[in-house]
Parts: sequence; structure tokens; C-alpha cells
Amino acid sequence: DAGVIQSPRHEVTEMGQEVTLRCKPISGHNSLFWYRQTMMRGLELLIYFNNNVPIDDSGMPEDRFSAKMPNASFSTLKIQPSEPRDSAVYFCASSKARVQYGYTFGSGTRLTVV
Amino acid sequence: DAKTTQPNSMESNEEEPVHLPCNHSTISGTDYIHWYRQLPSQGPEYVIHGLTSNVNNRMASLAIAEDRKSSTLILHRATLRDAAVYYCILLSGNTPLVFGKGTRLSVIA
Repeated sequence: DAGVIQSPRHEVTEMGQEVTLRCKPISGHNSLFWYRQTMMRGLELLIYFNNNVPIDDSGMPEDRFSAKMPNASFSTLKIQPSEPRDSAVYFCASSKARVQYGYTFGSGTRLTVV
Repeated sequence: DAKTTQPNSMESNEEEPVHLPCNHSTISGTDYIHWYRQLPSQGPEYVIHGLTSNVNNRMASLAIAEDRKSSTLILHRATLRDAAVYYCILLSGNTPLVFGKGTRLSVIA
């Protein structure tokens, strides 16, 4: 089991550019979560999916952020256009959709917008 | 929303037991108590969870008060690799995991 796989590990981009972060959840997990972590705000939930369907995107900061899950094995988080304040570590996690199971997190993508 | 209260930081000596407390006085009957930790420069990692009874696994033990208004994560022998931020989180139904500030554990050699 390779765990939750995120790519890229690091991304440096210029302000105004489009950024796409990718996540492959663990096979058999039917819930997927995107989090963002900064020193100021800690770990914030951005959006989550159950069975590939977005359930709650109230944590998405602005319309510049969008997330998709076209199938059970892939999800993307897109920022367009990116801004310096989007600089953060973005984590993807997956779980079986029950409270009795833990979440497995990926290693994160460190995004720097200059 | 059900919430938890944890000390901001704690310190432990290496190879000694560590008891990390968590208060959750507004816990409801369907809330599970989950613990996660985040080591430096890594993603959060599941540690343990429970509902009413005490739980043990290879990483830690979870002691839950009889009234469920508090719990304690127990690391039986702290190592330098246990230095991390530990999060106590209540989880129920279809609500997702929401992180607070956690407890930063320092382990002294």
C-alpha cells in the first residue's frame, strides 16, 4: 500500500499563474479531503468528497479555488489565478466514510507563490 | 460544534511515559474521540480512536473518562521521534475531521 500520493511535492509559481495539485487516494477509501496548513491558520479543511461527490466546499477560500474528483482514484485542487497568500502546504487525505476509521494523509504539496 | 481543549505544549523526558490530556465537556453520545499527531515537516498521522472503552494499539493507549468528558493519550515510553503536535478531535456521523491547535510535545534526551 503506497498510501495517499500527492504531486508535486514542491511547487514554486509566479503570481497569476494557474496551479494544479494532484492526489491519489488509497484504493477502497471512498472519502477524500483537501486541507491547507499555514503558520497563521493551522490546518484548515478546504473541501471533501464522498464517493467522488463534493459534500462540503465551505472551506474553499475564494472562487479562485476549485476541486474535482473525476473518479475514485484521482482528485485535483486548482488555484487560478494564484496569489502570494495562497502559499501554504496542501494536504490530501482519504478514509473509509465511517467515523470508526482513521484518515490517511499524504505528504503534502508545499506551494510557494512569488 | 463539539470542541476539545488541550494544553498548548508539554514536555517529557525520553523513555518516560507521557500523558496528554484532552477535555471535551460537550461531547455527544455519537462522538468518537480521535487522536492524530503531526511530526515536523510531515502530514498528520492517525494515532488512535475510541468511543467509550479504553483502547490500546502499537502506538499508544487511550484512556476515556467514564463520563466521556475527557480523555488522555498515553505514550508509554516517549522517544525523540514522538516529538510532534498531538491533536484530539471529536468525530461523528458524516462530519469531517477538523483540527484545532493541538498540544506540542517536546521530548528531552
